Amino acid sequence: QVQLQQSGAELVKPGSSVKISCKASGYTFTSYDMHWIKQQPGNGLEWIGWIYPGNGNTKYNQKFNGKATLTADKSSSTAYMQLSGLTSEDSAVYFCARRLTGLDYWGQGVMVTVSS
Amino acid sequence: DIQMTQSPASLSASLGETVTIECLASEDIYSNLAWYQQKPGKSPQLLIYYANSLNDGVPSRFSGSGSGTQYSLKINSLQSEDVSIYFCQQNYDSPYTFGAGTKLELK
Repeated sequence: QVQLQQSGAELVKPGSSVKISCKASGYTFTSYDMHWIKQQPGNGLEWIGWIYPGNGNTKYNQKFNGKATLTADKSSSTAYMQLSGLTSEDSAVYFCARRLTGLDYWGQGVMVTVSS
Repeated sequence: DIQMTQSPASLSASLGETVTIECLASEDIYSNLAWYQQKPGKSPQLLIYYANSLNDGVPSRFSGSGSGTQYSLKINSLQSEDVSIYFCQQNYDSPYTFGAGTKLELK
């Protein structure tokens, strides 16, 4: 069965970077876009971007240009998102999600807390 | 960016009732619209794609409709497990924006 297993919660300092992972199983990793979505506490969903692991192509929400960097490792079927220059505004839960017709499978989410 | 205006922001309904949630896009999105359900502390789950196609395993009491800029999600015969937040998302043009969500509660 399709599963997206994300890495654990992160507590990071302002100005630092963090890299979170999303390990895919149960399907051909290189054949589907992987999307990333941000959700701040009590808030809605914000689309960050996608990566196509088959060729590494990416598309970003301009709002996250310079903030988020998406990569994928085909050998381990793992997608990554690095967030840099972290501020309190980056404290949120971050989801990865596979896209077929819609975002049909989601990871469990990673809570990133930015605090000194 | 395409703006998705979702209404109402919150909704209270009784068991067995029919409820409708609406999403208005700021431009034509050609039925490239999905609906998601999110329960507290959980990841969103895909209910509907391409405006009116039911995702596998989703109960048939959920249905989607609409075209152009106006879309809706209908839940027939409301069940207790339907208490959730519902989001629409356009996937016509990047960035793939979401509606602000509708919180559905039981009356």
